[in-house]
Amino acid sequence: QKEVEQNSGPLSVPEGAIASLNCTYSDRGSQSFFWYRQYSGKSPELIMFIYSNGDKEDGRFTAQLNKASQYVSLLIRDSQPSDSATYLCAVNMFRAGSYQLTFGKGTKLSVIP
Amino acid sequence: DARVTQTPRHKVTEMGQEVTMRCQPILGHNTVFWYRQTMMQGLELLAYFRNRAPLDDSGMPKDRFSAEMPDATLATLKIQPSEPRDSAVYFCASGSESNTGELFFGEGSRLTVL
Repeated sequence: QKEVEQNSGPLSVPEGAIASLNCTYSDRGSQSFFWYRQYSGKSPELIMFIYSNGDKEDGRFTAQLNKASQYVSLLIRDSQPSDSATYLCAVNMFRAGSYQLTFGKGTKLSVIP
Repeated sequence: DARVTQTPRHKVTEMGQEVTMRCQPILGHNTVFWYRQTMMQGLELLAYFRNRAPLDDSGMPKDRFSAEMPDATLATLKIQPSEPRDSAVYFCASGSESNTGELFFGEGSRLTVL
C-alpha cells in the first residue's frame, strides 16, 4: 500500500461548482496533514493544513480530516479557472528519527469556464 | 522577498556526465530537503538536512547520488555518473524545524540525461 494515495484524475468541474479532492494515508500515527497546489511547470506551494478531526475553512477552501478512516479531503467552493492545477496531499510521517513530509502523486484539477 | 534559489534551472547532459545542482535556502530556515519529481513516481524525498546535518538520505541511490550542505546558505545534490533514468525535476525546499509541514520550494532544476 502506498503511504499517501490520491486519485490522479484529471478531475474536471465547471466554473462555479464544488471540486472535491480526496486522499488516504497509511500511517495511523500521522498527526498533521497538508495540501499543496502546483501549477503546471511551477513548484508546489502550501495552501492548507489541518491537524484536528473535522473541517477547517479558509476562504473558498475547506480541508476535512477523519483520522479514524485515515482520510483527508479538500473542497474548493465556487471553483475558478485559476484553480486549475495539481493538488498534492502531504502527510507528516515519522521516519528515520524525524518528521518528514510524504506526498501523494497529486490530483489534476481542471475548471472549465 | 525570501525565496529558495536553485541552479541550474535547466540542464541537458549526456549519460555518464557529472551533474551538480545547488540550492540556497531561505535565510533562517534550518531544514533543507531535496525532492525528485517524475510523472510516474510523483515527489520523492531524496535527502533531508537539519541544521546542516544529514538526517535521512534513504531515498537516494547511494552509488551515484550524494548530497551535502557545506554551509547554511548552500546545499548541493550531485549525480555521478548520470543515467537517462535520472531525468526529472529536482526540487529543493527549506523550512523551519518548528513547523515541519510548511515547506518553501525552489523553482526546481529540470534535468535531462541523454
